[in-house]
Amino acid sequence: GAVVSQHPSWVICKSGTSVKIECRSLDFQATTMFWYRQFPKQSLMLMATSNEGSKATYEQGVEKDKFLINHASLTLSTLTVTSAHPEDSSFYICSSKLAGDYNEQFFGPGTRLTVL
Amino acid sequence: GQNIDQPTEMTATEGAIVQINCTYQTSGFNGLFWYQQHAGEAPTFLSYNVLDGLEEKGRFSSFLSRSKGYSYLLLKELQMKDSASYLCAVMDSNYQLIWGAGTKLIIKP
Repeated sequence: GAVVSQHPSWVICKSGTSVKIECRSLDFQATTMFWYRQFPKQSLMLMATSNEGSKATYEQGVEKDKFLINHASLTLSTLTVTSAHPEDSSFYICSSKLAGDYNEQFFGPGTRLTVL
Repeated sequence: GQNIDQPTEMTATEGAIVQINCTYQTSGFNGLFWYQQHAGEAPTFLSYNVLDGLEEKGRFSSFLSRSKGYSYLLLKELQMKDSASYLCAVMDSNYQLIWGAGTKLIIKP
């Protein structure tokens, strides 16, 4: 099956610093990657859709200048949380889907971000 | 607006059967997914239904009725490791996944 990895698995940082999270598709080319955020006991919230070689599409209410997404290759997308604050502490999950009509999304293991 | 409804929490006994329901109202429909998510982990795919009817996969089965906007996930021969949250998600006309809040399933011995 399709494998998606994320790095780091968890990160603790000070308020005001920036954190970069990497999402890689290991055995397939992902033209589209999705970034989700999940707060405790809540469902997944789509933040943005990342397309290789073009600008990401952000969901309403998600600040594009705060959550920078770069999808420079078919196997790598990055999410940078700039000037992180404690309220940004969350579980960030990426997913991707195979090109074509197949709709299943494959999820990375997630990154737990704690901002002090 | 788009809406996915599923129970917040359910409790069942090891070895028993449990059915988790999901109702949805979305702009368009391109399939319904069930995912399992253990605490602190990312979701893992369980099933995908796009046509009406029952899809069986081992101990897990998923049913869809598009006319009723309804699906259920059926788990048989429950094991303690089945304790997790089960997420229902519908892909809308824009091929975007709309997620339910998840059903936390607690399995008791």
